[in-house]
Amino acid sequence: QVQLQESGPGLVKPSETLSLTCTVSGGSISSYYWSWIRQPAGKGLEWIGRIYISGSTKHNPSLKSRITMSVDRSKNQFSLNLSSVTAADTAVYYCARDFWGSTHYGLDVWGQGTTVTVSS
Amino acid sequence: QSVLTQPPSASGTPGHRVTISCSGSSSNIGSYTVNWYHQLPGTAPKLLIYGNNQRPSGVPDRFSGSKSGTSASLAISGLQSEDEADYYCAAWDDSLSGPVFGGGTKLTVL
Repeated sequence: QVQLQESGPGLVKPSETLSLTCTVSGGSISSYYWSWIRQPAGKGLEWIGRIYISGSTKHNPSLKSRITMSVDRSKNQFSLNLSSVTAADTAVYYCARDFWGSTHYGLDVWGQGTTVTVSS
Repeated sequence: QSVLTQPPSASGTPGHRVTISCSGSSSNIGSYTVNWYHQLPGTAPKLLIYGNNQRPSGVPDRFSGSKSGTSASLAISGLQSEDEADYYCAAWDDSLSGPVFGGGTKLTVL
């Protein structure tokens, strides 16, 4: 059974870069798209972006050019960097697996989430 | 402001049926299938319904989904106390080239 685990600093200073890694266990990172989603406290879900094993990425335009994503096949990991963070980036960050059939069927495996607070 | 619109709250009594609505537009629900998630406090969302009305393995058939035009609904029958959670609808969106979500509906079992 595939499991995902986010890791990274829980506290990031304003204007710095938030860096998170998602480790995939119980299965291969290949042949799937992998997404990042975040959820501010008490609020809804926001899709951040996705990456494929080839390194192809797509991100939410609302986050403009602050996002960088990468994948490490040898470690079965993929990563998110979000630069120039502000308090508005404080949220629980989730990694998840994209479920594709004839169309996008949602996100079928999620990590437990990691809380990131932006504060000096 | 979420792209998809859900009522912020819903409630029902044990054993009864409750429905949660989700409204979108032609660029998301109108063109793609709808997925539903439920989320218990302090935990990650879990895929509940995909492809408008398909249940992943392990999801009871008390949960059902439907879609018509640019709107969708989640129905929960035989309501149980453990169904108390937040429910989110989602769909692929052409503008985003990714999934958009509703703001979530907090279900209370009275």
